[in-house]
Amino acid sequence: DAKTTQPNSMESNEEEPVHLPCNHSTISGTDYIHWYRQLPSQGPEYVIHGLTSNVNNRMASLAIAEDRKSSTLILHRATLRDAAVYYCILLSGNTPLVFGKGTRLSVIA
Amino acid sequence: NAGVMQNPRHLVRRRGQEARLRCSPMKGHSHVYWYRQLPEEGLKFMVYLQKENIIDESGMPKERFSAEFPKEGPSILRIQQVVRGDSAAYFCASSRGQPRVYEQYFGPGTRLTVT
Repeated sequence: DAKTTQPNSMESNEEEPVHLPCNHSTISGTDYIHWYRQLPSQGPEYVIHGLTSNVNNRMASLAIAEDRKSSTLILHRATLRDAAVYYCILLSGNTPLVFGKGTRLSVIA
Repeated sequence: NAGVMQNPRHLVRRRGQEARLRCSPMKGHSHVYWYRQLPEEGLKFMVYLQKENIIDESGMPKERFSAEFPKEGPSILRIQQVVRGDSAAYFCASSRGQPRVYEQYFGPGTRLTVT
């Protein structure tokens, strides 16, 4: 049973911001929210993760709702290299990464 | 700081042979994970190891597959008597600490083809 819900696909124009949503209404207090992506023919790549507060790094920002039942990955300026499948994953304890279907992001030049 | 290294990058085996896949984690990382991606399918967790210990092997097939992460040297995923259905990309990842808190860094993968 999936713990997160993401749209199957999204499209963005190059150099525009992209907001990738993730719903996790059954999140527990100790679950961390992780985002990974997989570019075509490559291994997965860590993007960002957080617990309660919004997080920023050089790749993206993570906005977490106050009730933690949803979050949004923000790519500030999409490039062609950002075309990938993005996975939103909840982690607790020693549980491994469970990759769902993710959101396939297409970037249009 | 070198990333996660996997070798070989491509491996061809005949049915019935053994396949050994190696993974060297990032420096300072003592947690290693193996994942498998079958053609046109999603990534599936196989096993989680922490120096000399198997923490979680719930994703490992019950037969023919084994993994180890010795005190010295790389982690090894071993597949005995390979079958065509084992053809897949095998990815290794490592982290500094427990997966809930620490991000995992992935290697480039080993693409196994069984003929």
